[in-house]
Amino acid sequence: AQKVTQAQTEISVVEKEDVTLDCVYETRDTTYYLFWYKQPPSGELVFLIRRNSFDEQNEISGRYSWNFQKSTSSFNFTITASQVVDSAVYFCALSEAPGRSNTGKLIFGQGTTLQVKP
Amino acid sequence: NAGVTQTPKFQVLKTGQSMTLQCAQDMNHEYMSWYRQDPGMGLRLIHYSVGAGITDQGEVPNGYNVSRSTTEDFPLRLLSAAPSQTSVYFCASSYSRSTGANVLTFGAGSRLTVL
Repeated sequence: AQKVTQAQTEISVVEKEDVTLDCVYETRDTTYYLFWYKQPPSGELVFLIRRNSFDEQNEISGRYSWNFQKSTSSFNFTITASQVVDSAVYFCALSEAPGRSNTGKLIFGQGTTLQVKP
Repeated sequence: NAGVTQTPKFQVLKTGQSMTLQCAQDMNHEYMSWYRQDPGMGLRLIHYSVGAGITDQGEVPNGYNVSRSTTEDFPLRLLSAAPSQTSVYFCASSYSRSTGANVLTFGAGSRLTVL
């Protein structure tokens, strides 16, 4: 069965600190997708990144970076020089492989609440 | 482009009442789904649809009903509301399951309280 674990329930940092959100997943599929979504206090869910299981290159987008390691089944998310606007709940998610009878279902982790204090 | 529209945003029900959460998307997406969000549990899939006329159960389907008569609409029905169904509900869609383009676009959410 597929499973996503975000062991950090809440993280609190001071502005400009770097912070890493951990995500560990379980799947028997050899091909799959991993995602990160952000849920700001306003409540909507905002897509941040999707990563194919064949692509283990790290990705950087501005202050955000993602570290995907198949060997440890982890897909960690780092925010560099955090800002108050980064305060949100962050969800890691996993989906089954494309190209089969893919329903597009996502399995979500429990979420990590990040508080960035000024 | 409205994206995914959910109504109502807030609803209070009494135990045993029924209601329908509406969801509509204008992106011609094939795939639509309903999730519920509860504290400490992330988002859990209730029901999903891979196209008009096709629906299936997700992880937590009990007490909910869905139908997909058109590509655009995917309503979620609570048959007899229970306090355990107090939650925030999200509708989502994505455009092509066959290409694996499974980036979900979410609605704004509907907060339901069952007394």
